[in-house]
Amino acid sequence: DIQMTQSPYTLSASIGDRVTITCRASQSISSWLAWYQQKPGKAPKLLIYKASSLESGVPSRFSGSGSGTEFTLTISSLQPDDFASYYCQQYDSYWTFGQGTKVEIK
Amino acid sequence: EVQLLESGGGLVQPGGSLRLSCAASGFTFSSYAMSWVRQAPGKGLEWVSAISHSSGSGGSTYYAGSVKGRFTISRDNSKNTLYLQMNSLRPEDTAVYYCAKDRGTTMGDAFDIWGQGTMVTVSS
Repeated sequence: DIQMTQSPYTLSASIGDRVTITCRASQSISSWLAWYQQKPGKAPKLLIYKASSLESGVPSRFSGSGSGTEFTLTISSLQPDDFASYYCQQYDSYWTFGQGTKVEIK
Repeated sequence: EVQLLESGGGLVQPGGSLRLSCAASGFTFSSYAMSWVRQAPGKGLEWVSAISHSSGSGGSTYYAGSVKGRFTISRDNSKNTLYLQMNSLRPEDTAVYYCAKDRGTTMGDAFDIWGQGTMVTVSS
């Protein structure tokens, strides 16, 4: 099974900050990686697919990069609506999620 | 509007059974693979099961190790509905269960549409 490890577990940041979340796969997954945002009590929302493709309707301040085993999600300028949890997911072999990163207000 | 609506959750005793349903609308249900994903209280997301776009015996099914042999995924494309039959339920199966749609028509993709979730509680 492919394991996904996210870091950090929690991130404290201020409005306007540049935020980066990292996701590492236990083996190469090419670019078969997605990023989701989840707010409390709500379903996850797809932000990025195929490592760097922005889902329709998602603000351009979100971007993804990486391939193989190392991936990053970057929020270029953190907005009030961005305080949430973020999950990476591999879909190269079945589906596995990272443990999540909670972005909190500093 | 593209929508998924889960139902069937509730309180069940350990060892009991429950069947979840997910009604799809706003897209060609029969063209997309579907999955169930769960989230235990205060925890992260866990993929549970997936099924290819075909109904009946023509469909391929996949399961996480934690539910294999206890859960069965199925779909009825004539009713635009996805199901999850859960047997031999354990307290650790307590979670919100989401259904989710594959983004593309080739199986093995990110999930672009999610339902609102249905809560399953396994407790005596």
